[in-house]
Amino acid sequence: DIQMTQSPSSLSASVGDRVTITCRASQGIGNSLAWFQQKPGKTPKSLIYAASSLQSGVPSKFSGSGSGTDFTLTIDSLQPEDFATYFCLQYFNYPLTFGGGTKVEIK
Amino acid sequence: QVQLVQSGAEVKKAGASVKVSCKASGYTFSRYDINWVRQAAGQGPEWMGWINPNSGNTDYAWKFQGRVTISRDSSINTVYMEMTSLRSEDTAVYYCVRGPYYYDSSDSWRRTEFDPWGQGTLVTVSS
Repeated sequence: DIQMTQSPSSLSASVGDRVTITCRASQGIGNSLAWFQQKPGKTPKSLIYAASSLQSGVPSKFSGSGSGTDFTLTIDSLQPEDFATYFCLQYFNYPLTFGGGTKVEIK
Repeated sequence: QVQLVQSGAEVKKAGASVKVSCKASGYTFSRYDINWVRQAAGQGPEWMGWINPNSGNTDYAWKFQGRVTISRDSSINTVYMEMTSLRSEDTAVYYCVRGPYYYDSSDSWRRTEFDPWGQGTLVTVSS
C-alpha cells in the first residue's frame, strides 16, 4: 500500500497569511493526488485533483503542485472561511490512501 | 448536476448488519467507479472499497475483507455498502464517492476527479 505522510498535522496562521501543506507518498504516484477541505460536521470538499488542477468553482487562492512523491497545497491570503482541516488523497492505485490531515487554526 | 444521494442515518446494535445506499444521478452510471469511505468522529477518512458499476467488480481494504460487501443495482443507478458483525468502533459517517476511474465506450480507463461525495450516512453502533 502507498503511505501518504502529510505535514504539518496542525498549524496556526493569521488572516492574510499564505500557508503551505505538504504530502509525501511512499512511492511515485505520478500526479494522481487530490486535496480536500473539510469543516466540522461537513462533507469533504474537493479543491485540487491531478496534483494541480483546480476543481470547478474553487477560488484561485488555492493551488497545488508536485509530482512523483512530493506534493504541496498552497493557500494564499488566508480568510476566516479557510480555517478548516485539509487532507490529501492518492488515487494512483487501490487501495486509495489519505494523508493524516492538517488542521489550519486561527492564530 | 452530478449527484450522489445516500440513505438516512442508522442506529444498530453490536453484532447486527447495516446496508447503506447511494443513488447516482446526472451522469452515465456505468462509466465511473464508486468508492466507499468512512470517517469516525475526529478522525481522518478511511477508504473501504470500490465497485465498477459496469462489471460489478469489487475490491476491499484488507481490514474490511469478509465483513463488507459492495453491490449495485444498475436498473436504479444505486450502489450499496453492507457491513456485518457491527461493533462500536464502526460508528462513523459513511460516504460514497464517484471516481477516480472513468471508463469510456471501449472500456479504456483514465483517472479523473474523486468527486462528488454523497452527503454521508451516520451509522451508530451501540453495545
